[in-house]
Amino acid sequence: EAGVVQSPRYKIIEKKQPVAFWCNPISGHNTLYWYRQNLGQGPELLIRYENEEAVDDSQLPKDRFSAERLKGVDSTLKIQPAELGDSAVYLCASSPQRGDSSTDTQYFGPGTRLTVL
Amino acid sequence: GQQVMQIPQYQHVQEGEDFTTYCNSSTTLSNIQWYKQRPGGHPVFLIQLVKSGEVKKQKRLTFQFGEAKKNSSLHITATQTTDVGTYFCAGNNAGNNRKLIWGLGTSLAVNP
Repeated sequence: EAGVVQSPRYKIIEKKQPVAFWCNPISGHNTLYWYRQNLGQGPELLIRYENEEAVDDSQLPKDRFSAERLKGVDSTLKIQPAELGDSAVYLCASSPQRGDSSTDTQYFGPGTRLTVL
Repeated sequence: GQQVMQIPQYQHVQEGEDFTTYCNSSTTLSNIQWYKQRPGGHPVFLIQLVKSGEVKKQKRLTFQFGEAKKNSSLHITATQTTDVGTYFCAGNNAGNNRKLIWGLGTSLAVNP
């Protein structure tokens, strides 16, 4: 079974430029997460989707960040315009939707390492 | 807001020594998960604890969930160089399902 796929793996851009990241979750996983991870820190949730609905985007800086998951499968995360402080690893994760109330295991992709110059 | 604290932030051990990392939540958790992230890699799920006082073992790793469901620990017996990485706990608030609050992680270095 293929894992979570992300592209690109690395991206270097100048500040004020736009950038987009793509994620394809594990087949059949209804829940998709975008995280940002700075060096030496834990993952910080940006947005969580259940199918095509964004159920938690409280941590997404909406002035410059946007995300979509139009068909409830793959997703894109965009930054426009990028700032120096956006340099980080952007991780996508997915989990299956279960019928009980426990938290689902999250399966992470390899991430996109963004460098803003 | 809810916080999950992990200590220590860093730990350096000689191969063969034991290692423990502790996770403490400001609120009661419904469950807690542990992840391992190798240098340059992404977090990989290790285990989930749900019941009060639960203890689970995976080979040399022992995971505990406190009686009050506010703290947890991961203990590694006789560390090996393959144990190198950052260990994260992530807790789910008892009243807020499916949102994990992540600790900052404990980075483990093992000298051969």
